[in-house]
Amino acid sequence: DQQVKQNSPSLSVQEGRISILNCDYTNSMFDYFLWYKKYPAEGPTFLISISSIKDKNEDGRFTVFLNKSAKHLSLHIVPSQPGDSAVYFCAATDSGGGADGLTFGKGTHLIIQP
Amino acid sequence: GAGVSQSPSNKVTEKGKDVELRCDPISGHTALYWYRQSLGQGLEFLIYFQGNSAPDKSGLPSDRFSAERTGGSVSTLTIQRTQQEDSAVYLCASSLIPDYNEQFFGPGTRLTVL
Repeated sequence: DQQVKQNSPSLSVQEGRISILNCDYTNSMFDYFLWYKKYPAEGPTFLISISSIKDKNEDGRFTVFLNKSAKHLSLHIVPSQPGDSAVYFCAATDSGGGADGLTFGKGTHLIIQP
Repeated sequence: GAGVSQSPSNKVTEKGKDVELRCDPISGHTALYWYRQSLGQGLEFLIYFQGNSAPDKSGLPSDRFSAERTGGSVSTLTIQRTQQEDSAVYLCASSLIPDYNEQFFGPGTRLTVL
């Protein structure tokens, strides 16, 4: 049973436009959410996170929105740049500390078209 | 300083053989995590170390899998009697404390069991 779902395996966006990546979760115990970015042959790198006490967190071109009632979060990238082409993973955890690790979605492959 | 390193980067083995995967976390990071990513799947959490101890080993897929960490630093993941379904990328991550804010990932070891 997948607790973190990214229903779009891939997404193609024109350079300069907004990229919106979506993520849904089922475990109501999750209270911290992260986005990781992964290039081929590299490990995932942390991008941005949000606590369940917030509904928005912004860092430069990246904004994460959290809708707790819908158990949904999204990552907005604006404007999209060619270097943003990568696989984006949504991850979640509860406040139990590190022992449970992070629960990841399957990822969305973002392709930025010139 | 250096990031998380893993060795080997690629490992091809025959079914039934044992393999050992190594992770060198970032110096000073007390928490260490192992994940694996099978083809088309998200990252699956395997085990977490706080210092040298792993409080919960239930995430390991079977009793053929074991992990240890010595000196609060290097960790090895051992798979005995490998099976084809063990083929995956095995990722190691570390964090300064067992905090969900940010885990730093290594590049992974791609294991192929023939």
